[in-house]
Amino acid sequence: DTEVTQTPKHLVMGMTNKKSLKCEQHMGHRAMYWYKQKAKKPPELMFVYSYEKLSINESVPSRFSPECPNSSLLNLHLHALQPEDSALYLCASSQVPGQGLYQPQHFGDGTRLSIL
Amino acid sequence: SQQGEEDPQALSIQEGENATMNCSYKTSINNLQWYRQNSGRGLVHLILIRSNEREKHSGRLRVTLDTSKKSSSLLITASRAADTASYFCAATTSYGKLTFGQGTILTVHP
Repeated sequence: DTEVTQTPKHLVMGMTNKKSLKCEQHMGHRAMYWYKQKAKKPPELMFVYSYEKLSINESVPSRFSPECPNSSLLNLHLHALQPEDSALYLCASSQVPGQGLYQPQHFGDGTRLSIL
Repeated sequence: SQQGEEDPQALSIQEGENATMNCSYKTSINNLQWYRQNSGRGLVHLILIRSNEREKHSGRLRVTLDTSKKSSSLLITASRAADTASYFCAATTSYGKLTFGQGTILTVHP
C-alpha cells in the first residue's frame, strides 16, 4: 500500500463533464505535485504546491485547475477535457526542497482517466 | 523536452543475472534519482545520488554518477522476477522539480 492515496482509481468522463481527482497524504509533507503520464512514457510534471501555495505551473491548459485546501489534500479539477487528456494522473508529495537538500517524492498509484 | 535519455529502452534477463541501465542528461543537476514503476502502479523511489557523489549503494542496487559525462547508471545485482518493472532516472534541477528519462522496461524471467 502506498502512503499517498488517490481517488478515484479510474474515471471515465465526457468532454462536457466536470469532475475532480483527489489526493491525500499524512506524512507531514508540505510539497505536493501533479503529474500526467501517457502509456509507455515518463511522468510529466503539471503543478507543484509548496506550503499550500502554487509554486510551479508547467503551462498546463486552464481546463485543469489544481487546488490545495490544506496540507494533506490536493485536488485536480477537470472541465471540458479533450480525448488527448486521457492518461494516468499521478500525485506525489515530499518534504519541501530547500538549502540544496532534495528529498525523494512519494507517489500514489494514480487515477486512470479516459475522456470519451 | 525530457531531461534524461535512458538506455536500453528494454532489457530482458534471467533471474540471478545483473541488470544495468544507463541514463544521460543535458543540463546541470542538483541530484539524480532512480524510480521503479510496476505495471498499473505509481512510482517508487529507489535511490538518490547527489551531484558531488560518484557512487552509492543500497542493498542490491548500485548507482554511479559521472557529472563530466552527464550520465548515470543503475546496476541491479542478482535480479529476481519481482524486479520486473519500468525504471526511470529523474534529474532534479530546480526547486525539487523532477525531469524524468524515457525509462527502461526490465523483464526478469524466472
